Amino acid sequence: DQQVKQNSPSLSVQEGRISILNCDYTNSMFDYFLWYKKYPAEGPTFLISISSIKDKNEDGRFTVFLNKSAKHLSLHIVPSQPGDSAVYFCAASAGNNNDMRFGAGTRLTVKP
Amino acid sequence: KAGVTQTPRYLIKTRGQQVTLSCSPISGHRSVSWYQQTPGQGLQFLFEYFSETQRNKGNFPGRFSGRQFSNSRSEMNVSTLELGDSALYLCASRNRDNIEAFFGQGTRLTVV
Repeated sequence: DQQVKQNSPSLSVQEGRISILNCDYTNSMFDYFLWYKKYPAEGPTFLISISSIKDKNEDGRFTVFLNKSAKHLSLHIVPSQPGDSAVYFCAASAGNNNDMRFGAGTRLTVKP
Repeated sequence: KAGVTQTPRYLIKTRGQQVTLSCSPISGHRSVSWYQQTPGQGLQFLFEYFSETQRNKGNFPGRFSGRQFSNSRSEMNVSTLELGDSALYLCASRNRDNIEAFFGQGTRLTVV
């Protein structure tokens, strides 16, 4: 049951431009959303999160937007840097005692 | 503070065998979750343990099982291995009060 979907397997952007990664979910009980970044041969590392009571959260170059009515969230990276090249996973959780469900990931390539 | 440690890092097993993977969470973290990562499928949730009890379970067959010890260390066991079980198995731990999870580097299992 793919409750969290990342429909774009890959994305390529030029250094300095904006990267927009998208994520859709189906479970209306999800109330907390996270983005993780994964480099090859490493485990995913936490990037940024957002609670369902907010529609935007910003941390430096990273901003996550949440549209609850559309069950959609996006991660914006501005400006994109070559070091941002990695696989980005969207995750969602329903309540503090429930575990996270992940999307399939989007491979971001930032070209110099 | 040490991160999440998974052993072994790499493993090759023959079809039909069984395997046990180990995960040591961050000190003080009592929740341990296991995920399977395969190409194109993202991170599939296996199960979560909290205080030695399985709290959540994903949609995997009974060949996949786990346990957690009193020191919060967790093991995952897969019996009667199939070729399709070849994957990166990731363990994540979290503090009870936080949803954000911290991942280990994973165990790469290859079934031949």
